[in-house]
Parts: sequence; C-alpha cells; structure tokens
Amino acid sequence: QKEVEQNSGPLSVPEGAIASLNCTYSDRGSQSFFWYRQYSGKSPELIMSIYSNGDKEDGRFTAQLNKASQYVSLLIRDSQPSDSATYLCAVANDYKLSFGAGTTVTVRA
Amino acid sequence: KAGVTQTPRYLIKTRGQQVTLSCSPISGHRSVSWYQQTPGQGLQFLFEYFSETQRNKGNFPGRFSGRQFSNSRSEMNVSTLELGDSALYLCASRGDTSNYGYTFGSGTRLTVV
Repeated sequence: QKEVEQNSGPLSVPEGAIASLNCTYSDRGSQSFFWYRQYSGKSPELIMSIYSNGDKEDGRFTAQLNKASQYVSLLIRDSQPSDSATYLCAVANDYKLSFGAGTTVTVRA
Repeated sequence: KAGVTQTPRYLIKTRGQQVTLSCSPISGHRSVSWYQQTPGQGLQFLFEYFSETQRNKGNFPGRFSGRQFSNSRSEMNVSTLELGDSALYLCASRGDTSNYGYTFGSGTRLTVV
C-alpha cells in the first residue's frame, strides 16, 4: 500500500466550477498535511497546510481533514484557468514529506 | 525574504561521473531536505538535515549522499552517475516549528547522458 494516494486524474472542470481533489494516507499517526501546486516545469508551491480535523479555508481554497478516515481533500472554488496545474498531496512524518502521485487539473475557459 | 536557492539550475553529466548540487535555505531555517522528482516515480524523499545532522534518509543507494554546513546550507552528491539518475532534484527548507510547511527551491535539472 502506498503511503499517500490521490484520486486519479486528469480532472477537467469548466471555469467558475469547483474542483475537488482527494487524498488518503496510510500512517494513522500522521499529524501534518499539505497541498502543493506544481505548474509544468516549475517546483512545488505550498498552497495549504492543515493539522487538525475539519475545514480550513484560504481564499478560494478549502482543505478538509478527517484523521479517523485518514483522508484529506482540497476544494478549489470558482476555478480559474490559472489554477490549471498538478496538485500534490503531502503528508509529513519523521522529518520527511511523502507525496501522492498528483492530480492534474485543467480549467476550461 | 529570499526563498530557497538551488544551484546550478541545469546540469548535463556523463555516466560514471559525479555531481554536487547546492541548496541555500530560507534565512533562519535549519531544516533542509532533498527530493528527487521523475515522471515515473514522482517525488521521492532523499534525506533531511537539521543543524548538520542527518535525521532521516530515504531508500536510495549509497551513491546518494548529502551534508549540511553550520550556516544551514546543504549539498548533495551523486557518485557514479547512471542514466536513471536523470531527474529534477528539489531542496526544501522548513522553519523550526513543526507546523511550518516546507518551501521548495526551483530545483536542479540533472541530465545524465
């Protein structure tokens, strides 16, 4: 079983819609969770971090964490063409990040 | 505030050679970690250093090594390069509080021919 798994993509959404990304992790003791955005040819950029159960909102982004289900999600509201990128879910343990394979999101104008 | 700086940005090496990559973390960050990104394997953890001590190491052969200096700058070295070592090598730094996210540098694109 992989440490971090993300829903397979690619995900195509129309401009203005909500993009929903999901991630599950295997280590029940994990405490820190991150979402990174990576544009083609660029390095990952941290867009959200979440550490406790529930929702965390930052602008058009909402991260949700459910430790009992070992599940993390990211919602992108009012999707814009500039949101087209690969989104990486990452879980921190033992001074390292374990990444999912990423979900590529394309926002159609 | 300057970000994470990696040098060089691009490298082309021949099989069998060795290479050294450099990373300067965000000022005040003492944790530096390295990752390898390839299309097939995604982002994989190489190692993490804090105050010159390696605290964790990923599942890579001994040809991959690293170190951290007293000013928190870090280097990684790959010896006896193989074609499969071609990848984007990313460095990330983090503040001391565990609730800080990891900030990545722009990466070094290594091509082994």
